[in-house]
Amino acid sequence: ILNVEQSPQSLHVQEGDSTNFTCSFPSSNFYALHWYRWETAKSPEALFVMTLNGDEKKKGRISATLNTKEGYSYLYIKGSQPEDSATYLCAFNSGSARQLTFGSGTQLTVLP
Amino acid sequence: DGGITQSPKYLFRKEGQNVTLSCEQNLNHDAMYWYRQDPGQGLRLIYYSQIVNDFQKGDIAEGYSVSREKKESFPLTVTSAQKNPTAFYLCASRISARGQPQHFGDGTRLSIL
Repeated sequence: ILNVEQSPQSLHVQEGDSTNFTCSFPSSNFYALHWYRWETAKSPEALFVMTLNGDEKKKGRISATLNTKEGYSYLYIKGSQPEDSATYLCAFNSGSARQLTFGSGTQLTVLP
Repeated sequence: DGGITQSPKYLFRKEGQNVTLSCEQNLNHDAMYWYRQDPGQGLRLIYYSQIVNDFQKGDIAEGYSVSREKKESFPLTVTSAQKNPTAFYLCASRISARGQPQHFGDGTRLSIL
């Protein structure tokens, strides 16, 4: 079983703050790294799928970077809003596997 | 609207009973997945299927069974052999190509009576 770790486990920030979280994954046999946002009472929603070392992706105020050689990805949220409150999941896809291995998530709460 | 439908939303099981969770998608996706979530843990893969009439065990397949007779449908049976079935179950599907995300249903919460 592959080890995918996310930190911190939970985070409280004030509205307007910028924040970031980390996803660590095995640095060998990389295929893809996924980020999902999971709001309470909704289904997980895909944010990014990253496949190349050095990839940077952006969607509104949310961006992500990828370092496959050292096995980590950062997710950044600029100017957090209460509607950003959710659990953010990363998932690793190795080259030999057809399935994702998920981290346990970072639970973000943005306080108004 | 295209999407994934899981039913029921809530399900109760008596000890010793088998129950089946439904997952249907109209996205024309080849691959489908079943995950289990427990408090404080990430999503753990139970079973997945890349094509019709074929499926593979995930990390925690014991006590579960699946079928994939149609592309649109991937039902999960929680058997009496699953000793701790109380959990939240998510179904997902995706296009089988690099760079494609998974699409998720709304989940089924299973509880033991």
